[in-house]
Amino acid sequence: DAGITQSPRHKVTETGTPVTLRCHQTENHRYMYWYRQDPGHGLRLIHYSYGVKDTDKGEVSDGYSVSRSKTEDFLLTLESATSSQTSVYFCAIRETGSPLHFGNGTRLTVT
Amino acid sequence: AQKVTQAQTEISVVEKEDVTLDCVYETRDTTYYLFWYKQPPSGELVFLIRRNSFDEQNEISGRYSWNFQKSTSSFNFTITASQVVDSAVYFCALIRNNAGNMLTFGGGTRLMVKP
Repeated sequence: DAGITQSPRHKVTETGTPVTLRCHQTENHRYMYWYRQDPGHGLRLIHYSYGVKDTDKGEVSDGYSVSRSKTEDFLLTLESATSSQTSVYFCAIRETGSPLHFGNGTRLTVT
Repeated sequence: AQKVTQAQTEISVVEKEDVTLDCVYETRDTTYYLFWYKQPPSGELVFLIRRNSFDEQNEISGRYSWNFQKSTSSFNFTITASQVVDSAVYFCALIRNNAGNMLTFGGGTRLMVKP
């Protein structure tokens, strides 16, 4: 397995509360990504990073922010969680010329 | 804009049957990469193959084979003599220029292999 750790693996939170998901890698890869997976939609990109402090939006970025202060960590924050953000979140890493490798996912439930 | 379409949402076969999963893509780029990933019931996403747009040679890996045809913008995946362990959701994906920008996924095909 590529060295990717997502935390927490499961979380239940209430509508309106802030939530931060963490992705940690030990591969020193340049690119990091956050995807969400929902039935009928496959995987959709939320945000990605191409270096420390370099991030960009994906196709479903509304309601999410990210930060990457170190190569190894990529944080996804839901400032005020909504029920529509109930999903499984996957972090992925990649180096130039290589495929994406995914973490094991975080199941988030917003009640 | 780029798009990946997996028209088959679910396929059910009996063990030992051959099965082909279809993937059709759209992109304006001349340089791009195509991928297949497997998501077994345990939930992780497993990389299977990457193919670049300049290499149309088909590839075989054990019971798995991939047919890339630029003329039809397709990158189909065939499992020969399917097994129960092949039961999973399979995703096709596309990235342009192998750069850091977004990898676009198809909606996935759920394959159920029955004993």
